[in-house]
Amino acid sequence: GEDVEQSLFLSVREGDSSVINCTYTDSSSTYLYWYKQEPGAGLQLLTYIFSNMDMKQDQRLTVLLNKKDKHLSLRIADTQTGDSAIYFCAETNLNSGGYQKVTFGTGTKLQVIP
Amino acid sequence: DVKVTQSSRYLVKRTGEKVFLECVQDMDHENMFWYRQDPGLGLRLIYFSYDVKMKEKGDIPEGYSVSREKKERFSLILESASTNQTSMYLCASKRIGSYEQYFGPGTRLTVT
Repeated sequence: GEDVEQSLFLSVREGDSSVINCTYTDSSSTYLYWYKQEPGAGLQLLTYIFSNMDMKQDQRLTVLLNKKDKHLSLRIADTQTGDSAIYFCAETNLNSGGYQKVTFGTGTKLQVIP
Repeated sequence: DVKVTQSSRYLVKRTGEKVFLECVQDMDHENMFWYRQDPGLGLRLIYFSYDVKMKEKGDIPEGYSVSREKKERFSLILESASTNQTSMYLCASKRIGSYEQYFGPGTRLTVT
């Protein structure tokens, strides 16, 4: 079945850039997502990228997709303490028929040091 | 704004008890989901529902059942709670054809 992997923990200093990496196995992935989970809260969609794109930028967030290597990354510029959260990579295949299952990664806990 | 609410933030139950977790969404979404979240394992899909009275098993349905009698409400039932069901349970909903799931705040269930 599909698999999505992430490192479990990342620590950065406030003001630095953070890069959270993700690898996936489903070569037919249609959408790839980044969700953010703040302490004590549910997940919130942060950004997404279509599989036919290489890059997407949204203010401080840059998503890079290397489809050949099945590698997705999320870069957060000028990381702030409010960015401390768990970040989940996820993918879905809209061509699989029936329900388009979303497969989530294990989550990367980002700790921002003031 | 889409709002997904879950009946409890924290629950403590005893082994063997029947446990009900309720989820309500206010945006008329057709699809609803129950996940459990465990450290190092991410989110795993327990059950989902395409629409009212419809349900499908996810990746880890054993020990769980669900009920969807009304469009806005999706219930997760633990027929006989066990300690290995201690976890964070997250409910989500989305509109058919949409790519974004909206999540509730989660219920942290402890089974002793």
